[in-house]
Amino acid sequence: DTGVSQDPRHKITKRGQNVTFRCDPISEHNRLYWYRQTLGQGPEFLTYFQNEAQLEKSRLLSDRFSAERPKGSFSTLEIQRTEQGDSAMYLCASSLEGLRGLAGGPIKSSYNEQFFGPGTRLTVL
Amino acid sequence: KQEVTQIPAALSVPEGENLVLNCSFTDSAIYNLQWFRQDPGKGLTSLLLIQSSQREQTSGRLNASLDKSSGRSTLYIAASQPGDSATYLCAVRFSRNQFYFGTGTSLTVIP
Repeated sequence: DTGVSQDPRHKITKRGQNVTFRCDPISEHNRLYWYRQTLGQGPEFLTYFQNEAQLEKSRLLSDRFSAERPKGSFSTLEIQRTEQGDSAMYLCASSLEGLRGLAGGPIKSSYNEQFFGPGTRLTVL
Repeated sequence: KQEVTQIPAALSVPEGENLVLNCSFTDSAIYNLQWFRQDPGKGLTSLLLIQSSQREQTSGRLNASLDKSSGRSTLYIAASQPGDSATYLCAVRFSRNQFYFGTGTSLTVIP
């Protein structure tokens, strides 16, 4: 496994169009996070999944945003009726959550450590 | 409201110098703290993770410390190199479900 991957890397769209981004986490990771980052700022948390359950959503995530992780593996983030203010880098991260690894194995020193993908840069014209 | 602050916003040092980056946070009841580097237009690369119960972590030329009582963490970089030039971000997990990033320190190491 080579890390977190995101697709596409770049997306240019016109205002009002819908866009969908995909994130493939590190395979053994049970948590998946979405962040948004604008120029000169740190990433802002949007939402996260524990397996297939969406457990937390930021108030930044308006009704036009929806995220899914149907089988607890890859995730999609959809933005409907895009606005110019949606232009940003959308980052995905994953982590192995919990005191023990899968199947009750030994504690991993990197548990709860977030690993990020390369991001999807969205430009709304 | 939890906040994470990084000072300075930008730092320029000559090659070989040791340096310290600062991160402060408003709530001492944190879950963990993670340092990242970000190259222009790229994603984030994890450098060090400090759990709430730990005081410091080391990896190569990097050392990160955590002082929860004062709400501070520092990232120490020894013998800086031009390849260390990047933006360094501090991320604090205040609970199981709250994640906040600072705005970063942009580091330039001059050859």
